[in-house]
Amino acid sequence: GAVVSQHPSRVICKSGTSVKIECRSLDFQATTMFWYRQFPKQSLMLMATSNEGSKATYEQGVEKDKFLINHASLTLSTLTVTSAHPEDSSFYICSAQARTGEVEKLFFGSGTQLSVL
Amino acid sequence: KQEVTQIPAALSVPEGENLVLNCSFTDSAIYNLQWFRQDPGKGLTSLLLIQSSQREQTSGRLNASLDKSSGRSTLYIAASQPGDSATYLCAVDGANNLFFGTGTRLTVIP
Repeated sequence: GAVVSQHPSRVICKSGTSVKIECRSLDFQATTMFWYRQFPKQSLMLMATSNEGSKATYEQGVEKDKFLINHASLTLSTLTVTSAHPEDSSFYICSAQARTGEVEKLFFGSGTQLSVL
Repeated sequence: KQEVTQIPAALSVPEGENLVLNCSFTDSAIYNLQWFRQDPGKGLTSLLLIQSSQREQTSGRLNASLDKSSGRSTLYIAASQPGDSATYLCAVDGANNLFFGTGTRLTVIP
């Protein structure tokens, strides 16, 4: 089956630094990728929708200047958390959309646990 | 490793029917279980979150139950409507990792 690789799985950084998370579709082309985050004991929430070659669409309340999304190719999307602060500590996960005929399926990365000190 | 299974993979029902979607998981050591819907071309929308200490959660026409000991959760949809047509996914939260089911594609026929 389709595989989505997400790196790193865990990152600890100092406040004020930037962190880049990569999401790759390994054996299929993903025209659309989604980024989510989950705070402890809360639901997974959609942050943004990333379409290859165009600007990402951010959900309400998500700062586009803080969470930079780049989807430069059909197999790679990156999320950069700029000037990270402790309140950005969260679990981030990506998913990539694959289409087989008329059927769309979502495949998920394994997630990144970000801890900002 | 946690494995999450959803049955059936696809389901078609006439409008107005009540229906149940099933989610099973192999490792009962979970923090919570979440149900989502996905519309074509869109990201996931969170429906219900059940903490590991809870047995069920309700939101409108939706009711989700959790039986940790048997590794099962159900999503009950009452009085289904065509607007409920979507893919429904469950996800199990197990300590800094989310394990997703493969989803059930629901079609509600007017």
